[in-house]
Formats: sequence, structure tokens, C-alpha cells
Amino acid sequence: QKEVEQNSGPLSVPEGAIASLNCTYSDRGSQSFFWYRQYSGKSPELIMSIYSNGDKEDGRFTAQLNKASQYVSLLIRDSQPSDSATYLCAFQGAQKLVFGQGTRLTINP
Amino acid sequence: GAVVSQHPSWVICKSGTSVKIECRSLDFQATTMFWYRQFPKQSLMLMATSNEGSKATYEQGVEKDKFLINHASLTLSTLTVTSAHPEDSSFYICSARVTGGPYGYTFGSGTRLTVV
Repeated sequence: QKEVEQNSGPLSVPEGAIASLNCTYSDRGSQSFFWYRQYSGKSPELIMSIYSNGDKEDGRFTAQLNKASQYVSLLIRDSQPSDSATYLCAFQGAQKLVFGQGTRLTINP
Repeated sequence: GAVVSQHPSWVICKSGTSVKIECRSLDFQATTMFWYRQFPKQSLMLMATSNEGSKATYEQGVEKDKFLINHASLTLSTLTVTSAHPEDSSFYICSARVTGGPYGYTFGSGTRLTVV
């Protein structure tokens, strides 16, 4: 079993709709979770970090964490074409970040 | 804040030569630097973890004699790809953990290495 599972996509969402990205992880001891966005040919940039169960909102982005279900998600409201990218979820493992394979998101105008 | 500056952003080299990639933390001290490699349409693969003043820890399957990592100061870590071959062509990214803030891990801008 992979440590972090993400649907690789591609996920296609119409402009203005809500994009929902999901991630499950295997390490029950994990406390810190991150969502990164990576444009083609660029390095990842941090979108959200979440440490507690529940929702955390930042602008159009909402991260959701459920430690009991070992599940973390990212919602993007009012999706824009500029949101088209690969989204990587990650958790803090022992001394390093553990990444999922990434979900490729395309927002269609 | 929490910026990691990575250079060069791209490099083309001949097979058999060596290439050095630098990562500098500009406004914080990076006691630990992580080096990743990413092939097209794949996720980041951790190559090694370097700690200031000590030897790097390499992930399984990564040749430590080929990918030399030096972390001599709290603000500079380097990765040297020795005797590069076309199969080493990839996107190399460094990252540092930033403590005491919301940044988590911050990434350099990446280096696109092409070996011809």
C-alpha cells in the first residue's frame, strides 16, 4: 500500500465550478498535512497546510482533514483556468515530507 | 519570507561532465535540505536529505558517488551530478523545512538538467 494515495486524474472541471481533490494516507501518526500546486515546468508551491481535524479556509481554497478516516481533501471554489495544475498532497513523515503522485486538474473555460 | 534560491534554473551539459546545482536559503537558516528529482508526468522523488555539517542521507537506489551533496553552511547546499549521462536528464528541486511559521516546506525554483 502506498503511503499517500491520490487519483492521478486528469480531473476536468468547468470554470466557476467547485474542484474537489482527495487524498488518503496510511500513517496514522501523521500530524501535518500539506497541499501543493505545481504548474508544468515549475516547482511546487504551498497552497494550504492543515494540522487539525475539520475545515480550514483560505480564500477560494478549503482543506478538510479527517484523521479517523485518514483522509484529506482540497476544495477549490469558483475554479479559474489559472487553477489548472497538478496538485500534490503531502504529509509530514519521519524527518521528511511524503508526497502523493499528484492529481492533474484542468479547468475548462 | 522563507525563500530558497536555486541556481541554475536550467543547464545543458555534455555526457561525462559534472554539473553543480546550488540552493541558498535567503532569509532563514536551513539546517536540513531535501533534494528531489522529478521526471515528466511523475511525482517528486526524494533523492537525499542533507544536514548542515554532516553527511547526506541517500534514499534507496540513489548513487551517493554520482550525486554528491554538500551542506557546508546553514544557508547553502549543493548537489553535484558527476559524470552525467542522458538518463540523468530531469528536473532537480531542493526544499528546506521552515520551522516556526506557516510555510511548512519551501521549495527552490528547480533546475532543468539536460545531458546531451
